[in-house]
Amino acid sequence: ETGVTQTPRHLVMGMTNKKSLKCEQHLGHNAMYWYKQSAKKPLELMFVYSLEERVENNSVPSRFSPECPNSSHLFLHLHTLQPEDSALYLCASSQVRQGAIYGYTFGSGTRLTVV
Amino acid sequence: QKEVEQNSGPLSVPEGAIASLNCTYSDRVSQSFFWYRQYSGKSPELIMSIYSNGDKEDGRFTAQLNKASQYVSLLIRDSQPSDSATYLCAVNTSGGSYIPTFGRGTSLIVHP
Repeated sequence: ETGVTQTPRHLVMGMTNKKSLKCEQHLGHNAMYWYKQSAKKPLELMFVYSLEERVENNSVPSRFSPECPNSSHLFLHLHTLQPEDSALYLCASSQVRQGAIYGYTFGSGTRLTVV
Repeated sequence: QKEVEQNSGPLSVPEGAIASLNCTYSDRVSQSFFWYRQYSGKSPELIMSIYSNGDKEDGRFTAQLNKASQYVSLLIRDSQPSDSATYLCAVNTSGGSYIPTFGRGTSLIVHP
């Protein structure tokens, strides 16, 4: 496996369900991200894990909960979602160094539909 | 608030023409600039990065950066129908933040 792998590719869930999205990166990067992409909107940063730090967008509802057990794996736990949470959820990784910024490698995304 | 602006398009060009995509940003201390290509239903893919003023060429793609005017552009020469996609501009600011600000993207259509 190479790059950034996300599973599942598609997910349909009811509002009372609990599910998790999984992301794994094989690039040796030290930062991982969750983004939400809705139609006609810019990419919305949800969470960042870098060098064991967690950064979050304060506007993300608590029904989204991230977990990063190590530098290669990232999860997004979902519970009691709303229909407006239906979107493409993208995982990304990058290398972060002092004074240097590199571009992202994105996973293939999870298309989430909340019914 | 840091802003990155792109014309949403669609920008329609004939096959073989030069497609010019533009991006402006508000934060004067921005230092790193990226272009991503996103095909419909797919995830974004990094295609160009540029860090200093001037042009950077990679195959049919040229990124142009003008920090004084606060814009970055992407030129695609000899456009092909396979270039039809949404192009996202992303800008990083210095000062500790490694998290870029993304524009909304420009939809490009290359017609035969």
